Amino acid sequence: SQQGEEDPQALSIQEGENATMNCSYKTSINNLQWYRQNSGRGLVHLILIRSNEREKHSGRLRVTLDTSKKSSSLLITASRAADTASYFCATEVGGGGNKLTFGTGTQLKVEL
Amino acid sequence: GAGVSQSPRYKVTKRGQDVTLRCDPISSHATLYWYQQALGQGPEFLTYFNYEAQPDKSGLPSDRFSAERPEGSISTLTIQRTEQRDSAMYRCASSLGTGELFFGEGSRLTVL
Repeated sequence: SQQGEEDPQALSIQEGENATMNCSYKTSINNLQWYRQNSGRGLVHLILIRSNEREKHSGRLRVTLDTSKKSSSLLITASRAADTASYFCATEVGGGGNKLTFGTGTQLKVEL
Repeated sequence: GAGVSQSPRYKVTKRGQDVTLRCDPISSHATLYWYQQALGQGPEFLTYFNYEAQPDKSGLPSDRFSAERPEGSISTLTIQRTEQRDSAMYRCASSLGTGELFFGEGSRLTVL
């Protein structure tokens, strides 16, 4: 079962614009992570935010976490064509093993 | 190795045949995960190993699915008596236990 749901399912923007993706989840978490998947390739870890953190930055990425609303957002600033990919949020809920439950993904297309 | 390596990358088999997929994790990583990803969906957890121990196999869909990691490094996922609904991308990931997962390129299984 998928714990998270990403919104929107698909997003198309012009190069240079910002892209915002949202993730909602159902249960209390230890941390939430975002992964990128280029077409036909493996998933690549982007950023991890812990349940006691509210905001985190990494390069052009900004992640926020609102545990009261059980939601997170990923902002990619000044997007590039190379950012075209599917983006997944994943939650770790504890119980051992750091296992992650992934959302359904947002397909981002950045056009020149 | 430098990254997580999976083989074969593609496997086409006939319904009823057994299939074994292999994963070679990053050498320093104690924890290894198997995920199943249907087209257009996020990865779904199957099982994980901590060295050779398999604490959680709750995501394995049926007793036709089994996984091993006998020496705490390379792992195999075996599907017996394959069915068409088993067609999916099977992804292996490994972790140092810090939360971040490193994924391989996946093995795409097609059951005819």
